[in-house]
Amino acid sequence: NAGVTQTPKFQVLKTGQSMTLQCAQDMNHNSMYWYRQDPGMGLRLIYYSASEGTTDKGEVPNGYNVSRLNKREFSLRLESAAPSQTSVYFCASSEVGNTQYFGPGTRLTVL
Amino acid sequence: QKEVEQNSGPLSVPEGAIASLNCTYSDRGSQSFFWYRQYSGKSPELIMFIYSNGDKEDGRFTAQLNKASQYVSLLIRDSQPSDSATYLCAVLTSGSARQLTFGSGTQLTVLP
Repeated sequence: NAGVTQTPKFQVLKTGQSMTLQCAQDMNHNSMYWYRQDPGMGLRLIYYSASEGTTDKGEVPNGYNVSRLNKREFSLRLESAAPSQTSVYFCASSEVGNTQYFGPGTRLTVL
Repeated sequence: QKEVEQNSGPLSVPEGAIASLNCTYSDRGSQSFFWYRQYSGKSPELIMFIYSNGDKEDGRFTAQLNKASQYVSLLIRDSQPSDSATYLCAVLTSGSARQLTFGSGTQLTVLP
C-alpha cells in the first residue's frame, strides 16, 4: 500500500498563476483533508471531505477550492496564487473521527 | 485564544532522560487526543492516541489525559537522539464537524 500520495512534491508559481494539487489514498478511507503548515502556526485545515460527494470549509478556506473526484482522490486548486499561499500543503485521510494519515506534502512557493 | 496550546520549545534533554511534552485544549467536549511526531521536512506520523482519562503506554511512550484539567501530555522515556523532532498535539473537536485541531508543536532535541 502506498498510503497517501501527493503530487507534485515541489512547485514554484508566479503571483496570479493557478495550479491543482493532487492527492490520492489507497486505504479505502471515507474522509480526506487538506492542511497547510506555516512556521510557528502548526497545521491549519483548509477544506475537508467527510465522504465522497461532500466537501466543507475548514479554518482557512479563502483562495482555495477543492474537488472530491471519487473515494480515492481529493484535489486542491489555487485559482490565482498569492505570496501568502507560500506554504507546505499536506493531504490526509481517515475514517471519520479516527487517526489521520498524512501524505508527504507539497512545498509551494509563490513569487 | 488558540484551541490547542503547546509550549513551542525548543526543549532539550540529555540522551536517556525522560522528555515531557504538554498540551492543553479549550473544547471541554473533546473526546479523542492524538500525538504526532514530525521530523524536519517530513510529514506528521502518529505516535499515540488516547480516549480515556489516565495513562496509556506504548513502548517508551506514555500518553496521559486529564479531562477535568483539559490537559494531555506525552512522556518519552530513555530518550534517544532519533527522538529529536517536533511533536504535535491534536484534539478531535466535539460536534458534527469532528475535525482535528492541531497545536503549533513542541520542538524536542535529545542531546547525545
